[in-house]
Amino acid sequence: DAKTTQPPSMDCAEGRAANLPCNHSTISGNEYVYWYRQIHSQGPQYIIHGLKNNETNEMASLIITEDRKSSTLILPHATLRDTAVYYCIVRVAGGSYIPTFGRGTSLIVHP
Amino acid sequence: NAGVTQTPKFRVLKTGQSMTLLCAQDMNHEYMYWYRQDPGMGLRLIHYSVGEGTTAKGEVPDGYNVSRLKKQNFLLGLESAAPSQTSVYFCASSYSSGGREGEQFFGPGTRLTVL
Repeated sequence: DAKTTQPPSMDCAEGRAANLPCNHSTISGNEYVYWYRQIHSQGPQYIIHGLKNNETNEMASLIITEDRKSSTLILPHATLRDTAVYYCIVRVAGGSYIPTFGRGTSLIVHP
Repeated sequence: NAGVTQTPKFRVLKTGQSMTLLCAQDMNHEYMYWYRQDPGMGLRLIHYSVGEGTTAKGEVPDGYNVSRLKKQNFLLGLESAAPSQTSVYFCASSYSSGGREGEQFFGPGTRLTVL
Protein backbone atom coordinates (compact mmCIF):
# COMPACT_ATOMS: atom_id res chain seq x y z
CA ASP A 1 0.00 0.00 0.00
CA ALA A 2 1.18 3.53 -0.83
CA LYS A 3 2.43 5.69 2.03
CA THR A 4 0.91 9.05 2.86
CA THR A 5 2.26 12.36 4.16
CA GLN A 6 0.18 14.74 6.25
CA PRO A 7 1.02 17.93 8.16
CA PRO A 8 1.32 17.18 11.88
CA SER A 9 -1.09 19.88 12.99
CA MET A 10 -3.56 22.48 11.77
CA ASP A 11 -6.05 24.81 13.32
CA CYS A 12 -9.31 26.30 12.14
CA ALA A 13 -11.88 28.78 13.39
CA GLU A 14 -15.27 27.41 14.29
CA GLY A 15 -17.74 27.80 11.42
CA ARG A 16 -15.02 28.04 8.80
CA ALA A 17 -13.99 25.32 6.38
CA ALA A 18 -11.15 23.05 7.43
CA ASN A 19 -9.02 21.79 4.54
CA LEU A 20 -6.76 18.90 5.45
CA PRO A 21 -4.19 17.90 2.81
CA CYS A 22 -2.67 14.49 2.18
CA ASN A 23 0.11 13.54 -0.19
CA HIS A 24 0.14 10.03 -1.67
CA SER A 25 2.46 10.42 -4.63
CA THR A 26 3.13 6.67 -4.98
CA ILE A 27 -0.52 5.67 -5.14
CA SER A 28 -1.40 2.91 -7.58
CA GLY A 29 -4.34 2.88 -9.95
CA ASN A 30 -6.32 0.38 -7.88
CA GLU A 31 -5.79 2.05 -4.51
CA TYR A 32 -8.53 3.91 -2.70
CA VAL A 33 -7.98 6.94 -0.46
CA TYR A 34 -9.64 6.62 2.95
CA TRP A 35 -9.99 9.21 5.69
CA TYR A 36 -10.57 8.43 9.33
CA ARG A 37 -10.61 10.58 12.43
CA GLN A 38 -9.88 9.84 16.04
CA ILE A 39 -11.43 11.92 18.75
CA HIS A 40 -9.42 11.87 21.95
CA SER A 41 -9.20 8.41 23.56
CA GLN A 42 -11.72 6.85 21.18
CA GLY A 43 -11.24 4.36 18.37
CA PRO A 44 -10.82 5.84 14.86
CA GLN A 45 -13.98 6.49 12.87
CA TYR A 46 -14.45 6.26 9.12
CA ILE A 47 -15.21 9.56 7.37
CA ILE A 48 -15.09 9.09 3.62
CA HIS A 49 -13.23 7.35 0.82
CA GLY A 50 -12.65 7.80 -2.90
CA LEU A 51 -10.91 6.30 -5.91
CA LYS A 52 -10.80 8.92 -8.65
CA ASN A 53 -13.78 11.22 -8.37
CA ASN A 54 -14.53 13.77 -5.71
CA GLU A 55 -16.86 12.48 -3.04
CA THR A 56 -19.23 14.09 -0.56
CA ASN A 57 -21.22 12.73 2.33
CA GLU A 58 -22.90 14.14 5.40
CA MET A 59 -19.59 14.51 7.21
CA ALA A 60 -17.14 15.85 4.65
CA SER A 61 -15.99 16.25 1.08
CA LEU A 62 -12.99 14.55 -0.49
CA ILE A 63 -11.16 16.21 -3.35
CA ILE A 64 -8.69 14.01 -5.24
CA THR A 65 -6.34 15.62 -7.77
CA GLU A 66 -6.51 14.45 -11.36
CA ASP A 67 -3.15 12.65 -11.09
CA ARG A 68 -4.34 11.14 -7.77
CA LYS A 69 -1.09 12.03 -6.06
CA SER A 70 -2.77 14.13 -3.40
CA SER A 71 -6.14 14.73 -1.83
CA THR A 72 -7.88 17.17 0.49
CA LEU A 73 -10.48 16.44 3.11
CA ILE A 74 -12.87 19.34 3.57
CA LEU A 75 -15.00 19.89 6.64
CA PRO A 76 -17.25 22.67 5.31
CA HIS A 77 -18.34 24.20 8.61
CA ALA A 78 -15.99 23.04 11.35
CA THR A 79 -17.32 22.78 14.88
CA LEU A 80 -15.51 22.31 18.19
CA ARG A 81 -16.52 18.63 18.04
CA ASP A 82 -14.40 18.22 14.90
CA THR A 83 -11.24 18.65 16.98
CA ALA A 84 -9.49 15.33 16.41
CA VAL A 85 -6.60 13.59 14.69
CA TYR A 86 -7.33 12.93 11.02
CA TYR A 87 -5.71 10.04 9.22
CA CYS A 88 -5.35 9.63 5.48
CA ILE A 89 -4.56 6.11 4.28
CA VAL A 90 -4.56 4.33 0.94
CA ARG A 91 -5.42 0.73 0.29
CA VAL A 92 -5.90 -1.65 -2.58
CA ALA A 93 -9.34 -2.76 -3.71
CA GLY A 94 -9.52 -6.28 -2.37
CA GLY A 95 -6.77 -8.73 -1.70
CA SER A 96 -4.20 -8.53 1.04
CA TYR A 97 -4.46 -5.32 2.98
CA ILE A 98 -1.99 -4.07 5.57
CA PRO A 99 -3.22 -0.60 6.51
CA THR A 100 -0.74 1.97 7.80
CA PHE A 101 -2.16 4.91 9.71
CA GLY A 102 0.87 7.07 10.45
CA ARG A 103 0.56 10.01 12.87
CA GLY A 104 -2.14 11.91 10.99
CA THR A 105 -3.00 15.61 11.32
CA SER A 106 -4.10 17.00 14.66
CA LEU A 107 -6.86 19.49 13.89
CA ILE A 108 -7.81 21.99 16.55
CA VAL A 109 -10.99 23.94 15.98
CA HIS A 110 -11.05 27.09 18.10
CA PRO A 111 -13.97 29.39 18.95
CA ASN B 1 -25.42 -4.84 16.16
CA ALA B 2 -22.80 -4.30 18.84
CA GLY B 3 -20.09 -3.70 16.22
CA VAL B 4 -16.60 -4.31 17.61
CA THR B 5 -16.25 -4.93 21.32
CA GLN B 6 -13.11 -5.29 23.39
CA THR B 7 -12.57 -6.93 26.76
CA PRO B 8 -11.33 -5.69 29.21
CA LYS B 9 -11.49 -1.89 28.98
CA PHE B 10 -8.72 -1.34 31.53
CA ARG B 11 -6.02 -3.55 33.01
CA VAL B 12 -2.96 -3.14 35.19
CA LEU B 13 -0.29 -5.85 35.07
CA LYS B 14 2.99 -6.42 36.79
CA THR B 15 6.09 -7.11 34.72
CA GLY B 16 6.20 -10.75 33.71
CA GLN B 17 2.49 -11.42 34.05
CA SER B 18 0.46 -12.70 31.13
CA MET B 19 -2.95 -11.73 29.83
CA THR B 20 -5.27 -12.07 26.86
CA LEU B 21 -7.25 -9.28 25.22
CA LEU B 22 -10.45 -10.33 23.52
CA CYS B 23 -11.93 -8.69 20.42
CA ALA B 24 -15.33 -9.67 19.08
CA GLN B 25 -17.25 -8.47 16.01
CA ASP B 26 -20.76 -9.30 14.85
CA MET B 27 -20.54 -7.98 11.27
CA ASN B 28 -19.26 -11.19 9.67
CA HIS B 29 -16.04 -9.44 8.64
CA GLU B 30 -13.23 -11.52 7.18
CA TYR B 31 -10.38 -9.24 8.30
CA MET B 32 -9.48 -8.38 11.89
CA TYR B 33 -6.59 -6.31 13.24
CA TRP B 34 -4.83 -5.43 16.47
CA TYR B 35 -3.17 -2.02 16.83
CA ARG B 36 -1.37 -0.29 19.64
CA GLN B 37 -1.26 3.45 20.17
CA ASP B 38 1.28 5.17 22.38
CA PRO B 39 0.89 8.80 23.54
CA GLY B 40 1.26 11.24 20.64
CA MET B 41 1.72 8.42 18.16
CA GLY B 42 -0.38 7.01 15.39
CA LEU B 43 -1.71 3.49 15.34
CA ARG B 44 0.82 0.73 14.76
CA LEU B 45 -0.32 -2.64 13.50
CA ILE B 46 0.64 -5.56 15.74
CA HIS B 47 -0.97 -8.56 14.04
CA TYR B 48 -3.83 -9.10 11.66
CA SER B 49 -5.96 -11.91 10.31
CA VAL B 50 -7.51 -12.37 6.87
CA GLY B 51 -9.79 -15.19 7.94
CA GLU B 52 -10.61 -17.83 10.51
CA GLY B 53 -7.54 -19.85 11.41
CA THR B 54 -5.07 -17.42 9.80
CA THR B 55 -2.86 -14.75 11.33
CA ALA B 56 0.01 -12.57 10.13
CA LYS B 57 2.54 -10.18 11.62
CA GLY B 58 2.20 -6.43 11.36
CA GLU B 59 4.71 -3.67 12.07
CA VAL B 60 5.35 -4.38 15.77
CA PRO B 61 4.61 -8.09 16.50
CA ASP B 62 7.36 -8.85 19.02
CA GLY B 63 6.10 -9.82 22.48
CA TYR B 64 2.58 -10.59 21.26
CA ASN B 65 0.75 -13.65 19.98
CA VAL B 66 -2.68 -13.89 18.40
CA SER B 67 -5.28 -16.47 17.54
CA ARG B 68 -8.39 -16.49 15.36
CA LEU B 69 -10.14 -19.76 16.14
CA LYS B 70 -13.57 -18.32 15.32
CA LYS B 71 -14.37 -15.80 12.61
CA GLN B 72 -15.94 -13.37 15.05
CA ASN B 73 -13.13 -13.40 17.64
CA PHE B 74 -9.52 -12.24 17.55
CA LEU B 75 -7.40 -12.73 20.66
CA LEU B 76 -4.21 -10.85 21.52
CA GLY B 77 -1.91 -12.43 24.08
CA LEU B 78 0.96 -11.07 26.09
CA GLU B 79 2.98 -13.98 27.47
CA SER B 80 5.34 -11.96 29.68
CA ALA B 81 4.29 -8.33 29.96
CA ALA B 82 6.92 -5.59 29.90
CA PRO B 83 6.59 -1.86 30.76
CA SER B 84 7.20 -1.08 27.07
CA GLN B 85 3.84 -2.72 26.34
CA THR B 86 1.99 -0.05 28.30
CA SER B 87 -0.31 1.34 25.63
CA VAL B 88 -3.86 1.61 24.36
CA TYR B 89 -4.81 -1.37 22.24
CA PHE B 90 -7.42 -1.09 19.50
CA CYS B 91 -9.04 -3.90 17.62
CA ALA B 92 -10.65 -3.39 14.21
CA SER B 93 -12.43 -5.44 11.57
CA SER B 94 -13.37 -5.03 7.92
CA TYR B 95 -14.48 -6.86 4.81
CA SER B 96 -11.78 -7.77 2.34
CA SER B 97 -13.14 -5.68 -0.50
CA GLY B 98 -12.42 -2.10 -1.42
CA GLY B 99 -14.81 0.83 -1.52
CA ARG B 100 -17.14 1.29 1.43
CA GLU B 101 -16.77 -2.41 2.15
CA GLY B 102 -13.15 -1.76 3.03
CA GLU B 103 -14.10 0.49 5.91
CA GLN B 104 -12.51 -0.54 9.16
CA PHE B 105 -14.64 -0.57 12.29
CA PHE B 106 -12.77 0.02 15.52
CA GLY B 107 -13.44 -1.04 19.06
CA PRO B 108 -13.34 1.35 22.04
CA GLY B 109 -9.83 0.32 23.08
CA THR B 110 -8.17 -1.41 26.03
CA ARG B 111 -5.93 0.68 28.25
CA LEU B 112 -3.11 -1.49 29.54
CA THR B 113 -0.53 -0.43 32.12
CA VAL B 114 2.44 -2.65 32.92
CA LEU B 115 4.24 -1.77 36.15
